[in-house]
Amino acid sequence: DAGITQSPRHKVTETGTPVTLRCHQTENHRYMYWYRQDPGHGLRLIHYSYGVKDTDKGEVSDGYSVSRSKTEDFLLTLESATSSQTSVYFCAISGFGGGIGTDTQYFGPGTRLTVL
Amino acid sequence: AQTVTQSQPEMSVQEAETVTLSCTYDTSENNYYLFWYKQPPSRQMILVIRQEAYKQQNATENRFSVNFQKAAKSFSLKISDSQLGDTAMYFCAFIIIQGAQKLVFGQGTRLTINP
Repeated sequence: DAGITQSPRHKVTETGTPVTLRCHQTENHRYMYWYRQDPGHGLRLIHYSYGVKDTDKGEVSDGYSVSRSKTEDFLLTLESATSSQTSVYFCAISGFGGGIGTDTQYFGPGTRLTVL
Repeated sequence: AQTVTQSQPEMSVQEAETVTLSCTYDTSENNYYLFWYKQPPSRQMILVIRQEAYKQQNATENRFSVNFQKAAKSFSLKISDSQLGDTAMYFCAFIIIQGAQKLVFGQGTRLTINP
C-alpha cells in the first residue's frame, strides 16, 4: 500500500458539466500521474507532475487540465465532460528517493467516470 | 515512437500449470526499465515484477519470472504453479529513465486460471 487514494471512486455526470477528480498521497512522492484506461488501449498517460505547480502533458491530454498546489494532491479536471471521456482514471506516484524503487510507479484504486 | 505489444489478448490454463505471457516493445533508448502489472477484477493495478534493462540477469519474484531478451526487445512473464488468484489482466510496460518516468503500456492479456 503506497498510501494513494482517489476520490470519488465512482461518478456519473452529464455531458457539458465540469468534473474534478482528486488524487491524494501520504508519502511525499515527487512525481504524480494521471492515466485513463479504455478497452483495447491499456493505460494512457493524460498529464503528469514533477513537483508542486510543475506539470506537463501526456499522450491524451486534450480536454483535460491538472493542478498541483501541494505535494500530496494532484487534481484532474474535465472542464466540459464529453461521452468520449467515459473511462476509468488512475492516479500513480513515483519517486521514493534515490536508489531502488525511484522509477517504479504505484497506482491508486481508480475512479470510474461515466459521462451520459 | 515507443510502443508495447502484447500479442495474446486472452489465455487460459489449468490450476498448477505454467503459463508464459508474451511482450515485445520498441524504443531507440538504451536506458529503461520494464514492468509487469497485474489487474484483478478489483481493478487495482498491482506491480508484479520489475527489470532494469542494463541487467542481464532475469528478475524473479516467487512464482513469477521474466525472460528478458534485450536485443530482440522481448520481455515475457512466466507464472509457475499457477493459482486461481492469478486470474487477472496482465499489462507489460516500460519507462525511459530520464526526468519524469512516463510508463508506456501494452494492451493487456486476460489470463484465466481454471480449477
